[in-house]
Amino acid sequence: EAGVAQSPRYKIIEKRQSVAFWCNPISGHATLYWYQQILGQGPKLLIQFQNNGVVDDSQLPKDRFSAERLKGVDSTLKIQPAKLEDSAVYLCASSLADTGGSEQYFGPGTRLTVT
Amino acid sequence: AQKVTQAQTEISVVEKEDVTLDCVYETRDTTYYLFWYKQPPSGELVFLIRRNSFDEQNEISGRYSWNFQKSTSSFNFTITASQVVDSAVYFCALSPYNQGGKLIFGQGTELSVKP
Repeated sequence: EAGVAQSPRYKIIEKRQSVAFWCNPISGHATLYWYQQILGQGPKLLIQFQNNGVVDDSQLPKDRFSAERLKGVDSTLKIQPAKLEDSAVYLCASSLADTGGSEQYFGPGTRLTVT
Repeated sequence: AQKVTQAQTEISVVEKEDVTLDCVYETRDTTYYLFWYKQPPSGELVFLIRRNSFDEQNEISGRYSWNFQKSTSSFNFTITASQVVDSAVYFCALSPYNQGGKLIFGQGTELSVKP
């Protein structure tokens, strides 16, 4: 069974530029999560989708971050414009259900460097 | 407030030593889940164990064991006879049952096992 796919794996941009990350979850997983992991910290949830609807985006900086999951399968996370503090690894995860205790499967992440 | 604290930022041991990684959590929920994930240098988070709040039995899986104590809100992880391949960052995470399955991670403990 294929795991969670993410691209690109690495991205370097200058501040104020835009960037987009792509995630393809495990087939059949209705729930998709985007986490931000700053160096030396644990991942922090940015947004959660159940199929193509947003369940939780309370920690998403909506002035610059946006995300979509139009057909309830793959998802795109965008940053526009990027700031230096956005340098982090962006992790995508998926799970079968959206209840506590559902095992989340993580992708390899996209490492973003903003200069 | 819901929070996970991993007070040990870094631990260094010599191969074959036993090592315990501490995890303390805070939640007012009565139903929740606790997880441990491993993040090797490659960056992908690997699921190790899940525990629900009603099951305080200790669990052993090979060289790994987990001690869950609700009285002290702790969920500690012990590696017996550590090996170099155990070197990684380990994260403890809390998942409240009624919050869509999101994971609240601790800061992580970086374990270095030297030959």
